[in-house]
Amino acid sequence: DSGVTQTPKHLITATGQRVTLRCSPRSGDLSVYWYQQSLDQGLQFLIQYYNGEERAKGNILERFSAQQFPDLHSELNLSSLELGDSALYFCASSVELRDEQYFGPGTRLTVT
Amino acid sequence: EDQVTQSPEALRLQEGESSSLNCSYTVSGLRGLFWYRQDPGKGPEFLFTLYSAGEEKEKERLKATLTKKESFLHITAPKPEDSATYLCAVQYTGTASKLTFGTGTRLQVTL
Repeated sequence: DSGVTQTPKHLITATGQRVTLRCSPRSGDLSVYWYQQSLDQGLQFLIQYYNGEERAKGNILERFSAQQFPDLHSELNLSSLELGDSALYFCASSVELRDEQYFGPGTRLTVT
Repeated sequence: EDQVTQSPEALRLQEGESSSLNCSYTVSGLRGLFWYRQDPGKGPEFLFTLYSAGEEKEKERLKATLTKKESFLHITAPKPEDSATYLCAVQYTGTASKLTFGTGTRLQVTL
């Protein structure tokens, strides 16, 4: 158990819908990262927050957004969902910006 | 574009048969190289961080090494429970702290 928690574990929804994925980092970790893992793309970095502020963006679609709250938990919002958004979404956290990242168990999103 | 390449894609070993996994990366601007283990449907589990050429880290049957252009994950006398996908990830200077992942090596260890 890495200490990073993610909810829900599974999510099944229809195209065009909007969902919110939640992540609680390890106690004491200030930085939160979101990654997407699909069969054909591998693990892809989406976005990073540090102590409430956005620090880096990867290949995140405009339909996706995220935020980190004062208690350091983070949410990833996915809207206008398409079939191709079906994937595993992982949250990771680290103490400081360049430390090793610890991953949560992931949320499996299925868009039908 | 920063690239991380892992080989082989898949590896099947018998219990006790030692081998090495390779991770090669774009050389310029490496800040750190990370190894993770991932079981099916689970989140990646952190194994090692390497920062400079010549550095080595060990944990049980695993040893990670780093040269100027690649890293190796050596598996000594593997057991079936070592079966997993092993992911290499690189952190480059100037890219905040995002990790660029390779596609992994799927390791299967049989009795």
